Amino acid sequence: VQLRESGPGLVKPSQTLSLTCTVTGDSVHNGGYYWSWIRQHPGLGLEWVGYISHSGNTYYNPSLESRVAISVDTSTNQFSLNLTSVTAADTAVYYCARLTDRSVARPFDSWGQGTLVGVSS
Amino acid sequence: DIQMTQSPSSLSASVGDRVTMTCRASQNIAYYLNWYQQKPGKAPELLINAASKLQSGVPSRFSGTGSGTDFTLTISALQPEDFATYYCQQSLTDFPTFGQGTKVEV
Repeated sequence: VQLRESGPGLVKPSQTLSLTCTVTGDSVHNGGYYWSWIRQHPGLGLEWVGYISHSGNTYYNPSLESRVAISVDTSTNQFSLNLTSVTAADTAVYYCARLTDRSVARPFDSWGQGTLVGVSS
Repeated sequence: DIQMTQSPSSLSASVGDRVTMTCRASQNIAYYLNWYQQKPGKAPELLINAASKLQSGVPSRFSGTGSGTDFTLTISALQPEDFATYYCQQSLTDFPTFGQGTKVEV
């Protein structure tokens, strides 16, 4: 399976950050996986943003829950992230990743290459 | 949320050294612990699943132990390609959290 993020590299403050992850080699409709977004602030650690199951159930980081939405499009085999009302604190590398329920401890077993999104006017 | 604390935050080592790093969870997570390796400018890669299960293709010099709240990642003989940052991650709940990372440097 391969994942690839796409979307604008720069977003203005207060606007909406929108990213898409294209999945190849697997179907977002397959059970046993959660399609995920994880971000990494420059020079810092990893922060889980949220994920969506094949059936459309969503789970979000409580610190972002009021601003985030993840959706899946089975017709294009993509899933997307929308993060509203962004500030400079949302500047980060955003990774899409696959979490597998098929391994005992539900790891993120496949990752996209990551895309840097800056928030600036 | 479950806090994950890694130590040390960085360590200096040489090729051939045995390297050990630890990860502590703020509550009992049984074996729901994964380890990742991240090299500069790259995405993390899964090394170990469920505290001790080596991912396919990962060299046997990597090993993981622990359960409950305390976990260890060991590299038995450090190779040049192992200089990287290592993250632990708990998956007990639907709010996965990562440690802050241990950077292995020369």
